[in-house]
Amino acid sequence: AQRVTQPEKLLSVFKGAPVELKCNYSYSGSPELFWYVQYSRQRLQLLLRHISRESIKGFTADLNKGETSFHLKKPFAQEEDSAMYYCALGETSGSRLTFGEGTQLTVNP
Amino acid sequence: DAGVIQSPRHEVTEMGQEVTLRCKPISGHNSLFWYRQTMMRGLELLIYFNNNVPIDDSGMPEDRFSAKMPNASFSTLKIQPSEPRDSAVYFCASSIRGRGANVLTFGAGSRLTVL
Repeated sequence: AQRVTQPEKLLSVFKGAPVELKCNYSYSGSPELFWYVQYSRQRLQLLLRHISRESIKGFTADLNKGETSFHLKKPFAQEEDSAMYYCALGETSGSRLTFGEGTQLTVNP
Repeated sequence: DAGVIQSPRHEVTEMGQEVTLRCKPISGHNSLFWYRQTMMRGLELLIYFNNNVPIDDSGMPEDRFSAKMPNASFSTLKIQPSEPRDSAVYFCASSIRGRGANVLTFGAGSRLTVL
């Protein structure tokens, strides 16, 4: 069965510091990995997906199949990055997404 | 398009009462999902539909929970009878089914408090 693990429920950094939100997964097929973000009082929304291989709001994430990881990184955190971040795994057959437990990121001034 | 629309936004009820949450997906989306969000367990998939047909309801906690999708533009999640441990935010999301299309659009959520 597919599983997504985010080991940190809470992560706090200072503005300008690098940030890494960890995500590990287990899945027997070919995974699609995503990061979703929920800013305060806003809807959960897609941040980025591994197949796009793009940087969104300065964030990047690389799929490491050997380590079954999809960590989210940003070299210089900003206060507006404070939010709840969810890593998600999509099945090969499409449709269904399995989410991790989420990491609440706080960027302090 | 107004996006995924959920109602009510907030619901406070007493234990034992019936609760009905509603969702209108994005027009043209053929997959619909119900998730429950809690601090302890994060986002849990309760049930999802493809083309109005329930595909996987293994995440539904117990028989007190039921979900329907009578047509492509409407779904309900019902809890009867409700219990305090059902208190959570319930999200509805929709997408277009298919490989490489696991991008979900979420509603604003329904915050349920059972006293």
